[in-house]
Amino acid sequence: GESVGLHLPTLSVQEGDNSIINCAYSNSASDYFIWYKQESGKGPQFIIDIRSNMDKRQGQRVTVLLNKTVKHLSLQIAATQPGDSAVYFCAEKKGDFQKLVFGTGTRLLVSP
Amino acid sequence: GAGVSQSPRYKVAKRGQDVALRCDPISGHVSLFWYQQALGQGPEFLTYFQNEAQLDKSGLPSDRFFAERPEGSVSTLKIQRTQQEDSAVYLCASSGRVGGLGTGELFFGEGSRLTVL
Repeated sequence: GESVGLHLPTLSVQEGDNSIINCAYSNSASDYFIWYKQESGKGPQFIIDIRSNMDKRQGQRVTVLLNKTVKHLSLQIAATQPGDSAVYFCAEKKGDFQKLVFGTGTRLLVSP
Repeated sequence: GAGVSQSPRYKVAKRGQDVALRCDPISGHVSLFWYQQALGQGPEFLTYFQNEAQLDKSGLPSDRFFAERPEGSVSTLKIQRTQQEDSAVYLCASSGRVGGLGTGELFFGEGSRLTVL
């Protein structure tokens, strides 16, 4: 079935490194993708989004890349900090506003 | 408050008990969503309200689950005759938009963690 998934369940990096979190999606009709950060005991927090008519979008220390050819989404975090440690989810909108489909998440561990 | 507020934060129920989870969305937000998040998984859509109208309840796992938003503001998710498989974090989210999801428009609460013994 249609799904949004992640390649790596856990990513460990050193403080100051750049981090890349990957996500594969299967629904070529999806028109909007979002990355969320979720810290322990908290709800998902918006990081950055991208529409399907774009292939790159930059925010503060974060960049999202979209490759529609291979249905791949990535989140790049520059100069990773201990405060970036969390679980990161990609999500896709399946054509209707009401239903975001989330992946299972990647845990990012940042060591000082 | 400024954000989405959920209560209780933690609920322990014995199997068979009924529970009610409350969501106070951001003031003025038209759209309200409930998601269920099992341990180690991503959130899964349960239901969606536009004002007081429940426009989509396709994600509710069984008829034991019921949600309402009678005045278009506060919402309650009720689970009857709870089962162990209902144990999860229930997330509420709100948005000021009706359609055309755009940048960062979905705001999540911290969730209500339900444990069914």
